[in-house]
Amino acid sequence: DTEVTQTPKHLVMGMTNKKSLKCEQHMGHRAMYWYKQKAKKPPELMFVYSYEKLSINESVPSRFSPECPNSSLLNLHLHALQPEDSALYLCASSPSGAGETQYFGPGTRLLVL
Amino acid sequence: AQTVTQSQPEMSVQEAETVTLSCTYDTSESNYYLFWYKQPPSRQMILVIRQEAYKQQNATENRFSVNFQKAAKSFSLKISDSQLGDTAMYFCAFGWAGTALIFGKGTTLSVSS
Repeated sequence: DTEVTQTPKHLVMGMTNKKSLKCEQHMGHRAMYWYKQKAKKPPELMFVYSYEKLSINESVPSRFSPECPNSSLLNLHLHALQPEDSALYLCASSPSGAGETQYFGPGTRLLVL
Repeated sequence: AQTVTQSQPEMSVQEAETVTLSCTYDTSESNYYLFWYKQPPSRQMILVIRQEAYKQQNATENRFSVNFQKAAKSFSLKISDSQLGDTAMYFCAFGWAGTALIFGKGTTLSVSS
């Protein structure tokens, strides 16, 4: 099973709202990733968790706050977002993170009004 | 720093024909992985094929094969017997120990009947 699940599939939020994106995998992978993807563009790395510790933060604004409660779960907390944050947010996982194959979830399509 | 270049923003092919997508990369590393990912319109990003740099033999997966030229730092994807379901954006990616994947800008492939 190479499945990564993400909820919700779609999310519309106002600039003052607080919401969370959820990602889950049961492949025993120890590295998990958040990406932001705009239409017709490659994914942009936001955060990497390796063995449940934040290992990479690509200078993402503080209105995005990641959390890794356990090795299977990854959350992205959103607060006071801007319209330019509207995008597809992808979660991925890999066995240990060392440049290995990443398995992607279907993404959450976020619209900020 | 590692870079990945896809020089063909868009390509089109007829069903049953063969098409080759180009990818070049730059790195000073000797051990790394190369990937082709496929992202159909509004659908999930999935792995098409993976190549380990230490392997001289080109990877193949059914109708998909790569031409890996390590010295030239080239990693092209050949799709044989193209099908309508191959219509997607294709991303070439580079993976190296301790980092997340580095993606090219993508090639949009359209397969027509």
